[in-house]
Amino acid sequence: EAGVVQSPRYKIIEKKQPVAFWCNPISGHNTFYWYLQNLGQGPELLIRYENEEAVDDSQLPKDRFSAERLKGVDSTLKIQPAELGDSAVYLCASSSRGAGPGELFFGEGSRLTVL
Amino acid sequence: GENVEQHPSTLSVQEGDSAVIKCTYSDSASNYFPWYKQELGKRPQLIIDIRSNVGEKKDQRIAVTLNKTAKHFSLHITETQPEDSAVYFCAASKYGTSYGKLTFGQGTILTVHP
Repeated sequence: EAGVVQSPRYKIIEKKQPVAFWCNPISGHNTFYWYLQNLGQGPELLIRYENEEAVDDSQLPKDRFSAERLKGVDSTLKIQPAELGDSAVYLCASSSRGAGPGELFFGEGSRLTVL
Repeated sequence: GENVEQHPSTLSVQEGDSAVIKCTYSDSASNYFPWYKQELGKRPQLIIDIRSNVGEKKDQRIAVTLNKTAKHFSLHITETQPEDSAVYFCAASKYGTSYGKLTFGQGTILTVHP
C-alpha cells in the first residue's frame, strides 16, 4: 500500500513570493489534515477535511493561506504571499474514521525556507 | 482549547536503561492519547496509543500509563536501544466534533548512547 505522498520535499523562496504544496493521501482514507511543524515543536493543525468538506480551519491564517481538496483526494496548500515566519515543515496526514480515533498517517513533509 | 505539555525536552540515556517521558493535558474531555516517534528528517509514526477507559497499555518494550484524575500520561521505554533515538511526541484528542484533531506536545529528543 502506498503511503501519504507530499511534494516538493524542499522549497526555498524569497519573501512575498507564492508557494504551493501538494499531498496525495492513502486511498480510502476520508479524513485529511494539513499540519504545520516549526523547528523543535510538535505539529499544529492548520485544517482538517472530512471527505471534501473543510470541517476545521480555525487555525488557518486565511489572509495568506488557502487549501483545497480536489475531488476528495489530492490536496493543495497555498501561501501567498509568504513571510519569513512561514519557514517550517508542512505535513499532511490522512486517517480512516472507522469506529473511533485512529492512527494518522503522515507524509514526509515539505520543508519551506523563506529568505 | 486543549493544551498539552511534555517533559523533558531532551533525554539522554545509556543503552539498556529505561526512558520515561511525561505529558499533561488540560481538557478533561480528552479521551484518546497517542504517542508518535519522528526520526530525523522522517515522518511522525504512531508507536502506541491509549484510550481513557484503560489505565495502562504495553507493546513489547514500550508502555503507556494514563492517570485521568491528574490529567497526565507517560511513555515508558525499557531496555533502550540506539535505534530508539528520535523525537517523541505525545498528543491528545477527543471524540465528537473534534475527532481527529490531535493537539501535540512540544516533543522530547531521546538519545540512546551505545
